[in-house]
Amino acid sequence: AQTVTQSQPEMSVQEAETVTLSCTYDTSENNYYLFWYKQPPSRQMILVIRQEAYKQQNATENRFSVNFQKAAKSFSLKISDSQLGDTAMYFCAFRGRSQGNLIFGKGTKLSVKP
Amino acid sequence: ETGVTQSPTHLIKTRGQQVTLRCSSQSGHNTVSWYQQALGQGPQFIFQYYREEENGRGNFPPRFSGLQFPNYSSELNVNALELDDSALYLCASSLARSLNTGELFFGEGSRLTVL
Repeated sequence: AQTVTQSQPEMSVQEAETVTLSCTYDTSENNYYLFWYKQPPSRQMILVIRQEAYKQQNATENRFSVNFQKAAKSFSLKISDSQLGDTAMYFCAFRGRSQGNLIFGKGTKLSVKP
Repeated sequence: ETGVTQSPTHLIKTRGQQVTLRCSSQSGHNTVSWYQQALGQGPQFIFQYYREEENGRGNFPPRFSGLQFPNYSSELNVNALELDDSALYLCASSLARSLNTGELFFGEGSRLTVL
């Protein structure tokens, strides 16, 4: 069974600085998708960034980028120039190619301090 | 374009009761899935509906059931409520072809408390 592990329950960062959130996963599949979702206090889950396992290039979306290490089954999220609005729970999620659902980690609570 | 809306936002039930949660999908989306998010945990997949039929289910007992209607709105029903059913229930909609890209659009959830 696939599992997703986020080992950092909470993190904090100063505004404008850079922070990296960690995620590891376990799967026997070769083709799959990885995602980072953000859940602010409003509770609505929002897709931040996604990575397809067959693509070697790390995904980037503006201030958000990932470090995808397929062999190590690691998928970290880097947030550059942190903003107060980045304060939220961040969830790493996995989807196997044959699955229709996402498997989430337990989340990392990120606080951006002014 | 309206987003995913869920109702009610909060509700309190007692053990043994039944509850129905509702979800209106984002316009044009034909696939809806439900997740349970216990306090301090990540969401866990309950089931998914595509064109009114269940086409995937997580590790939840049969007392968790659902429906999807022709307009793609959806219901989650939970019978014989237990204390551990207390959680945030999230609905997510998507186009079937977008599943691979992970573009699920989530609602704000229904917070269920079972006493």
